[in-house]
Amino acid sequence: DGGITQSPKYLFRKEGQNVTLSCEQNLNHDAMYWYRQDPGQGLRLIYYSQIVNDFQKGDIAEGYSVSREKKESFPLTVTSAQKNPTAFYLCASSWSDPSDTIYFGEGSWLTVV
Amino acid sequence: AQRVTQPEKLLSVFKGAPVELKCNYSYSGSPELFWYVQYSRQRLQLLLRHISRESIKGFTADLNKGETSFHLKKPFAQEEDSAMYYCALTGGATNKLIFGTGTLLAVQP
Repeated sequence: DGGITQSPKYLFRKEGQNVTLSCEQNLNHDAMYWYRQDPGQGLRLIYYSQIVNDFQKGDIAEGYSVSREKKESFPLTVTSAQKNPTAFYLCASSWSDPSDTIYFGEGSWLTVV
Repeated sequence: AQRVTQPEKLLSVFKGAPVELKCNYSYSGSPELFWYVQYSRQRLQLLLRHISRESIKGFTADLNKGETSFHLKKPFAQEEDSAMYYCALTGGATNKLIFGTGTLLAVQP
């Protein structure tokens, strides 16, 4: 079954702890993205990567970190420095052409308690 | 600066009524415009893009460069159209999508 897989679907974290959200794709896409979805604010770009071993900050990168060691994987770490980490996180991937469709995962709910 | 504006948070219509979801954008070059849809309990997915000039599920959207708009329209709404709709743009050398805040379409029976 091809597509984008995010895990875990639901995650609870205590304040002060780092947490890593997994994103894997088997679509052979070059580009991968992380978005945060908050009510009334739409989707905001956290980080994106157009090629292995390279990534760029999006609009709200503070308190987050990523790595792109393999083409199919783009994990996101939510660090303790992120002030409002409770949110719905969406991973996505696409080919490199700017007009190509971006495909999304099912998302991960992170709740900080 | 690149920006996508969707002025309506919620649009409620009756089944069979026409629907227009508004989207305005600001971009200094030639953007690619998209509409994405998120049905309940489903992942976000592409509905249509302006370069395809296609109609999907009865929806159409025309890019108006003079008004910098990309409104989504459907002549007769169906209950299954109820969903969250996001307008988005991309442009330049990268294909990172910039999203609007979304409009929740509720089609009443």
